[in-house]
Amino acid sequence: GAVVSQHPSWVICKSGTSVKIECRSLDFQATTMFWYRQFPKQSLMLMATSNEGSKATYEQGVEKDKFLINHASLTLSTLTVTSAHPEDSSFYICSATFGEILRGDTQYFGPGTRLTVL
Amino acid sequence: KQEVTQIPAALSVPEGENLVLNCSFTDSAIYNLQWFRQDPGKGLTSLLLIQSSQREQTSGRLNASLDKSSGRSTLYIAASQPGDSATYLCAVNNAGNMLTFGGGTRLMVKP
Repeated sequence: GAVVSQHPSWVICKSGTSVKIECRSLDFQATTMFWYRQFPKQSLMLMATSNEGSKATYEQGVEKDKFLINHASLTLSTLTVTSAHPEDSSFYICSATFGEILRGDTQYFGPGTRLTVL
Repeated sequence: KQEVTQIPAALSVPEGENLVLNCSFTDSAIYNLQWFRQDPGKGLTSLLLIQSSQREQTSGRLNASLDKSSGRSTLYIAASQPGDSATYLCAVNNAGNMLTFGGGTRLMVKP
């Protein structure tokens, strides 16, 4: 099956620093990648959708200047949390699909990255 | 806007019991519905995917049903085991391949 990896799996950083999280599709070219955030004991919330070579589409309430998404190739998307603060501490999960976006094809999920901001 | 609700939020059962997890959604215009498992601190594992044209899917001890017109899906787990303990998430796929997740059901199966 299709495999999606994330790096790092966990990161601890100081308040005010920036953190980059990578999401890679290992054995397929992802037309679209998604970034989700999950706070403790809550469900996943979609943050943004990114297509290779174009700007990401952010969900309402997600600051695009704070959460920078770069989808530079068909196998790599990065999420950079800029000037991180403790309230940004969360579990970030990416997913990828290689199908037609309007056809509702399966999303394949990465293992997640736990961010802790001190 | 699609809303997905899962009931119950938490469930504790003795080993061996058959159990049903419920998922309801407000907008029936969906492409498919997925059930996921999430272990604490881990990513998602896809369990079953039901296309909008299907009524159910089975994998081992798991059976998921879909009633699109009434906006409901159930995940049936037969002969539960302690290893089934996890959070189960239901997610609905609407237009544009956007997934909307339910709040999850936290399952504990006691030996």
